[in-house]
Amino acid sequence: DQQVKQNSPSLSVQEGRISILNCDYTNSMFDYFLWYKKYPAEGPTFLISISSIKDKNEDGRFTVFLNKSAKHLSLHIVPSQPGDSAVYFCAARAGSYQLTFGKGTKLSVIP
Amino acid sequence: EAGVAQSPRYKIIEKRQSVAFWCNPISGHATLYWYQQILGQGPKLLIQFQNNGVVDDSQLPKDRFSAERLKGVDSTLKIQPAKLEDSAVYLCASSLGTSDTGELFFGEGSRLTVL
Repeated sequence: DQQVKQNSPSLSVQEGRISILNCDYTNSMFDYFLWYKKYPAEGPTFLISISSIKDKNEDGRFTVFLNKSAKHLSLHIVPSQPGDSAVYFCAARAGSYQLTFGKGTKLSVIP
Repeated sequence: EAGVAQSPRYKIIEKRQSVAFWCNPISGHATLYWYQQILGQGPKLLIQFQNNGVVDDSQLPKDRFSAERLKGVDSTLKIQPAKLEDSAVYLCASSLGTSDTGELFFGEGSRLTVL
């Protein structure tokens, strides 16, 4: 039973345009959500997070939106750059640091 | 600041053989995690340590997997005997254990191929 779902395995976007990566979850106990970015042959690195008490968090070109009623969050990257090409994992936490990850979405930013 | 160190980076073994992976977390990080990432999947938590005590090992296949964290610092993950389905990247991560953010810092991973 997948509690964190990323239904798009891949996404291609033109450089300079907006990238929108989506994530759905089923566990209403999740109280913190994170996005991780992973390059090939490297471990995931933390990108941005949001607490369940907020609906938006912004960090430079990256914005995460949380819709608790829909159990949905999204990551917006504006403008997209070729260096953003990576696999993006959505992760959720219930309790103390026990992250549950989605399967990931591979983003390709085309120059 | 040095990151999470893991070794070996790559390991190829035959089924029924044994293998061990080593992890050195970021200095001062109380919490250490081992994740298994199978190709095309997200990382799945195998075991979580707080200092040298186990917090969660509910998804660790204990008939073949074992892990320890000596003196609350380094950790080893062992698989014996290995099965074909154990082929995966084994990721070690650490966190301060006191922060609210839940941010984990991952190592580069150890890729295991079981033939």
